[in-house]
Amino acid sequence: GQSLEQPSEVTAVEGAIVQINCTYQTSGFYGLSWYQQHDGGAPTFLSYNALDGLEETGRFSSFLSRSDSYGYLLLQELQMKDSASYFCAVKARAAGNKLTFGGGTRVLVKP
Amino acid sequence: GAVVSQHPSRVICKSGTSVKIECRSLDFQATTMFWYRQFPKQSLMLMATSNEGSKATYEQGVEKDKFLINHASLTLSTLTVTSAHPEDSSFYICSAATSGGAYEQYFGPGTRLTVT
Repeated sequence: GQSLEQPSEVTAVEGAIVQINCTYQTSGFYGLSWYQQHDGGAPTFLSYNALDGLEETGRFSSFLSRSDSYGYLLLQELQMKDSASYFCAVKARAAGNKLTFGGGTRVLVKP
Repeated sequence: GAVVSQHPSRVICKSGTSVKIECRSLDFQATTMFWYRQFPKQSLMLMATSNEGSKATYEQGVEKDKFLINHASLTLSTLTVTSAHPEDSSFYICSAATSGGAYEQYFGPGTRLTVT
């Protein structure tokens, strides 16, 4: 099956940079996605990496290393509204193209 | 952007009754819809994958007779929790994809089910 590991919680101050790491184990890997979820809300798509390297989208960037089965989400210039849970999710052939989610990382931004 | 709605957003029911949750893709056709369950401060657990016009595929450990899924059209999937019990209380979230191979899923706002 698939398994993903990410830290359970991260606390940082406004304006800081946070990196959320995600390591995964799977076969037939297609790509790694990141989702943001505010308390009581729906997950929203942030990024998808299928190839090695860094993808930048505004203040958020996502990185993938297929050889290391590792990726990270980088949150820059943190704002209070970034306080949320962030999930990495892997898409793999072995899972029938479904997404398997990590446990989630709660990011708490303090003033 | 792709919008997915869910109805109801919140429901309280008595133990033993059945509850139906609707998931609609509002501005696109969803060939595949997914149903997840999420407990407080936990991750999303996939319950089943639903393809339009065919039977849903359930994840291991999910009772298909208890969680009935119908994907009647390219814009509507329903989840019926039958004979609900307090342990079924949870946050149920659907998502939709434009094709089975899509990497991006569009999530509905979720339904908070409380069984008393």
